[in-house]
Amino acid sequence: EAQVTQNPRYLITVTGKKLTVTCSQNMNHEYMSWYRQDPGLGLRQIYYSMNVEVTDKGDVPEGYKVSRKEKRNFPLILESPSPNQTSLYFCASSFRLGPYNEQFFGPGTRLTVL
Amino acid sequence: KQEVTQIPAALSVPEGENLVLNCSFTDSAIYNLQWFRQDPGKGLTSLLLIQSSQREQTSGRLNASLDKSSGRSTLYIAASQPGDSATYLCAVLINDMRFGAGTRLTVKP
Repeated sequence: EAQVTQNPRYLITVTGKKLTVTCSQNMNHEYMSWYRQDPGLGLRQIYYSMNVEVTDKGDVPEGYKVSRKEKRNFPLILESPSPNQTSLYFCASSFRLGPYNEQFFGPGTRLTVL
Repeated sequence: KQEVTQIPAALSVPEGENLVLNCSFTDSAIYNLQWFRQDPGKGLTSLLLIQSSQREQTSGRLNASLDKSSGRSTLYIAASQPGDSATYLCAVLINDMRFGAGTRLTVKP
């Protein structure tokens, strides 16, 4: 089944404890991205990747890192999480960036930073 | 900077009614526009994708239109059902994807 998977789905952690949220797609997509969703602010893009080893900042990159060493994986790294990073995170992918390409979203990761 | 606005923010209708959700965007240089559905606490389900060269797309009871020159899109839902209750999001794609804040739809039996 074609899908975008994220792990973990739920995470409660404490300030300053490094964590990684994994994202994987099995559709051979080139474009991948991370979003956070907050009440009243909607979905905002954190980072995106056009292809392997090509990443760029979105609207709200501060406090986050990403890497794209393989086409299928695009992990989101929080080196020193803070309470303002408590949010619902989504990973998405599409074949390429262009008019024909539909974005597919993962199921989301709900992160709480105490 | 691309801004995406959705009106209304919330909508409540009786079952069976036809309804229209609106989406507007400020920069017409988009690759495409996509409508999503989101159930509470869940992920996004893609409903319709309209390429920048297209005027509309249909899927079942859903019809989405796009007017790039005026920066507007509408999502038409025919014969609404309680199962349509969800938040509907529109998003435009340039180098990144910009989302509206969504319209929360409630369809009452």
